[in-house]
Amino acid sequence: AQKVTQAQTEISVVEKEDVTLDCVYETRDTTYYLFWYKQPPSGELVFLIRRNSFDEQNEISGRYSWNFQKSTSSFNFTITASQVVDSAVYFCALSEESTGNNRLAFGKGNQVVVIP
Amino acid sequence: KAGVTQTPRYLIKTRGQQVTLSCSPISGHRSVSWYQQTPGQGLQFLFEYFSETQRNKGNFPGRFSGRQFSNSRSEMNVSTLELGDSALYLCASSSTEPDTQYFGPGTRLTVL
Repeated sequence: AQKVTQAQTEISVVEKEDVTLDCVYETRDTTYYLFWYKQPPSGELVFLIRRNSFDEQNEISGRYSWNFQKSTSSFNFTITASQVVDSAVYFCALSEESTGNNRLAFGKGNQVVVIP
Repeated sequence: KAGVTQTPRYLIKTRGQQVTLSCSPISGHRSVSWYQQTPGQGLQFLFEYFSETQRNKGNFPGRFSGRQFSNSRSEMNVSTLELGDSALYLCASSSTEPDTQYFGPGTRLTVL
């Protein structure tokens, strides 16, 4: 069963528009961790954020913000005022205490294309 | 600190051959995990090594194996290569569990 679902495969936006990426996860664990990674064309996965299941506080880092809602099992990511450099594939991932905290289950990813 | 390094960056092999990929973690990191990325299956966990022991294993056939050395460097080996093994192989390291995994640039393997 898919543990992490990222519904939108490709999203195109015009520069300076906002874009929100949805992530819905599934787990029976009470202790788990959620992540977002960015994969530019070079291929390397770049870490963006990590949240544990006990910390529902939303976070803002520059133009990036995250909304974690346990009630809906969602961990959504918003890029504000998008720039061309934001063009990449973004992955949401989950690790669970029961299957190993360092075993990441990834969603299929969102291809974000920012048009100048 | 230097990031995770992987060698080689690109490999071309033929079916039936075997291949060894290398990963050097961030200094001080003792956990190394491997992932396979393909267009069809996405990113899938292969295995994790910690202190020279395999701590976790994904759902891959026995042709995929790995090891970790005392300096935390890790290698993964794929024997009897198949066309479907063509993929980007990513290595990640972390200092403790649970902790954030930091990824290397990957090794792109092409099997002809």
